[in-house]
Amino acid sequence: GQSLEQPSEVTAVEGAIVQINCTYQTSGFYGLSWYQQHDGGAPTFLSYNGLDGLEETGRFSSFLSRSDSYGYLLLQELQMKDSASYFCAVRANQAGTALIFGKGTTLSVSS
Amino acid sequence: IAGITQAPTSQILAAGRRMTLRCTQDMRHNAMYWYRQDLGLGLRLIHYSNTAGTTGKGEVPDGYSVSRANTDDFPLTLASAVPSQTSVYFCASSDSSGGSNEQFFGPGTRLTVL
Repeated sequence: GQSLEQPSEVTAVEGAIVQINCTYQTSGFYGLSWYQQHDGGAPTFLSYNGLDGLEETGRFSSFLSRSDSYGYLLLQELQMKDSASYFCAVRANQAGTALIFGKGTTLSVSS
Repeated sequence: IAGITQAPTSQILAAGRRMTLRCTQDMRHNAMYWYRQDLGLGLRLIHYSNTAGTTGKGEVPDGYSVSRANTDDFPLTLASAVPSQTSVYFCASSDSSGGSNEQFFGPGTRLTVL
């Protein structure tokens, strides 16, 4: 089966940089994704890493090391609106793109 | 319709009743999913469908059934609701044919079983 571990909470101040780590155990690996969810809302896709290395999208970057079964989401120049929950996820199986999610990290950004 | 919709928005249901949560997407995505979200447990996969006419079981399928008669609709049925099925239910879809891993989520259905 699959399991993912990520911190439950992270706090930071506006303008800072924060890193949210994710370690995973999977029977087969088909990429690591990150999703953002504001309180009560629908999750939205942030990034995907299929290969080792860094993927950058504006203020957000995501990193993957397959040999370490580890990835992280890096948020730069934090803004109040970045306060949300962040989930890492892996594909459930090879046959499709259903995801298994971590339990989520709640990021609180203060001024 | 633009994107993915779910109905109802919220529902209070007596235990033992049958309930169908509706999900419709207009993006012609081949794959659709149902997740439940409970406090502290994140999103858990209930059932999925990689293409119309096929379905598969996720992490927590017991007590739920799905069907995928066409591309656009993916209803989730609780045959006999129990209080442990109180949760927020999210439907999602994706176009997996091009290798994209992005899933698009609906606004969710908040279900309370008493």
